[in-house]
Amino acid sequence: QLQLQESGSGLVQPSQTLSLTCTVSGGSISSSIYSWSWIRQPPGKGLEWIGFIYHSGSTYYSPSLRSRVTISIDTSRNQFSLKLSSVTAADTAVYYCARREIGEFFDYWGQGILVTVSS
Amino acid sequence: QSVLTQPPSVSAAPGQKVTISCSGSSSNIGNNYVSWYQQFPGTAPKLLISDNDKRPSGIPDRFSGSKSDTSATLGITGLQTGDEAVYYCGTWDNSLGAGVFGGGTKVTVL
Repeated sequence: QLQLQESGSGLVQPSQTLSLTCTVSGGSISSSIYSWSWIRQPPGKGLEWIGFIYHSGSTYYSPSLRSRVTISIDTSRNQFSLKLSSVTAADTAVYYCARREIGEFFDYWGQGILVTVSS
Repeated sequence: QSVLTQPPSVSAAPGQKVTISCSGSSSNIGNNYVSWYQQFPGTAPKLLISDNDKRPSGIPDRFSGSKSDTSATLGITGLQTGDEAVYYCGTWDNSLGAGVFGGGTKVTVL
């Protein structure tokens, strides 16, 4: 059974960089069939698509976050990561990693990690 | 403001049917597959429907999806108290070059 687990700092100071890692177990992140995604959800609000990465390293980002976001992949560790720079309180959210399939759907999700931006 | 429009809430009595609409445009729903997710408070979303109308293994056939032109619909029949959750639609938007979600619909069982 594929499992995804987010890890990283739960508290980030304003203007700093948010860094999260998703560790994939029970399957290989190197599969060419899937891509690996980040999605976030501000408290009490809906889902926001952040972006995804293929095992090759090709990335797609949300236009509204493109200038601040970087998604990378480490196939040797079966992990992929998210960095979001210059964060503000508006970036406070639960961040989910998920496996993305062709057809734009997400079939496996991590449990989510709450990241709070505050001094 | 979400690219995909969903009603904020729907409700029905146990055993009844509810439908949740997801309205978009030709740049998203009109030319791409739609997926649906169920989310309970404090938990990650769960895939209910992929590729407009396909149920993953383990999803009851009480849940169904359909698409017509630039709108999609999730149907839930034989409504149960355990179906109380928030439901989201999602798809790809060709103009944005990114994925998009609806704002979510809370289902209440009366």
